[in-house]
Order: sequence, then structure tokens, then C-alpha cells
Amino acid sequence: NAGVTQTPKFQVLKTGQSMTLQCAQDMNHEYMSWYRQDPGMGLRLIHYSVGAGITDQGEVPNGYNVSRSTTEDFPLRLLSAAPSQTSVYFCASSRPGENSPLHFGNGTRLTVT
Amino acid sequence: AQSVTQLGSHVSVSEGALVLLRCNYSSSVPPYLFWYVQYPNQGLQLLLKYTTGATLVKGINGFEAEFKKSETSFHLTKPSAHMSDAAEYFCAVSVTLSGGYNKLIFGAGTRLAVHP
Repeated sequence: NAGVTQTPKFQVLKTGQSMTLQCAQDMNHEYMSWYRQDPGMGLRLIHYSVGAGITDQGEVPNGYNVSRSTTEDFPLRLLSAAPSQTSVYFCASSRPGENSPLHFGNGTRLTVT
Repeated sequence: AQSVTQLGSHVSVSEGALVLLRCNYSSSVPPYLFWYVQYPNQGLQLLLKYTTGATLVKGINGFEAEFKKSETSFHLTKPSAHMSDAAEYFCAVSVTLSGGYNKLIFGAGTRLAVHP
């Protein structure tokens, strides 16, 4: 089973460039989300979606856009990359319910120079 | 507001020794708690989760965690460490946002090293 698939695994951008991080899940989960991981800070929520056509902001949404046109896909767009966006990005999916665990992809390591 | 604190950013044990990773939570309602493990260059993998009921929760790879409401703790243990347990471990609590999404609030993580 593929689970949650993220591409690319690594990316280097120059300040001001834009790019899209791809995320796809094959578990028919309603909820999808993007987190960023920075040393000593755990994971922080960027954006999330509770279904196709519905997205909302998390803790650290500035500089990122998302859309959810299908249940399977949830891309994250960086509009104008900044060095502060250097991080590891994780996409996750889950079913509704407070005790439903998140299923994570393997991450995208992004460096902005 | 709900939060999670992991005591000790780095823990080092000998192979075969007890593993104890500490997690304390803050929650005004009965919490839903999780432990995740992250191996190098991989995503987070669920170790175990607590929901209301039994206080001792068993997970994968021989790990277990005990929920203690009086101490607001959810510490992770394993009786005998193996070299393959070397990884970073995250404790998390679930929070429901508007629209019903269940966000996880993560602790800062504890990196476990296992030496021969």
C-alpha cells in the first residue's frame, strides 16, 4: 500500500522562486494536512482540509497556499520562497475523529537560499 | 489551551536497558494522546495512542505508555532497548478545530540513542 506519497523528496530554491509540493493519498481519508518540522519545535500545522473544496489555515499559514480539488490530492504552494521556509514538510491524512491517527508521508526537505 | 511537554531532548541508553521517554500534557478535557516515532529521513509512524479506558496502552515494537491523569503524564517505556530503537520520538495531543479537523499538537521531540 502506498499510503501518503510526497514529491519531491528534496528541493533547493532561491529566494523569491515559487514551487508546489505534491501530496497524494490512496486511503480515501477525508482529512489532509500539511505540517512543517523545524529543529526543537516539533511539527506545526500549516494548512488543512476536511474534504474536497474545503481548506483552512493552521498555525503558520503565511507564505503558503493550498487547494483540494479531489479527495486524493492536497498540493502545497510556496508563492515566493524565503529562507525562513527552509524546513522539512510533511503531508498527512486521517479519518474524522479525535482518536484517529495521522498517516504521514516521508517528507520533503526544502532549502531556500 | 492544550499543550505537550517532552522532558529531555536527548536520551541515551545501553542496549538491553530500560527506555523511559517522558511526556506531560496540559488539557482541560479528557485528552486523546499519541506517541509517534521518526526514523532518519522518514515520516512519523504511529507507535500507540490513548483513548479513554485502559491506562496502560501497548504499541508496536514492544513499546507501551501509561496514562496518569493525576500527574498529567503519558510516559513511553520499553523494557529492553534495541539498537533499532534509535530514532526521534514525539508525543502529541489531539485538538478539534473549527470544521471538525483534529489537529495534533506535538512536543518538541526526544532523540533516543542506543549504544552497545
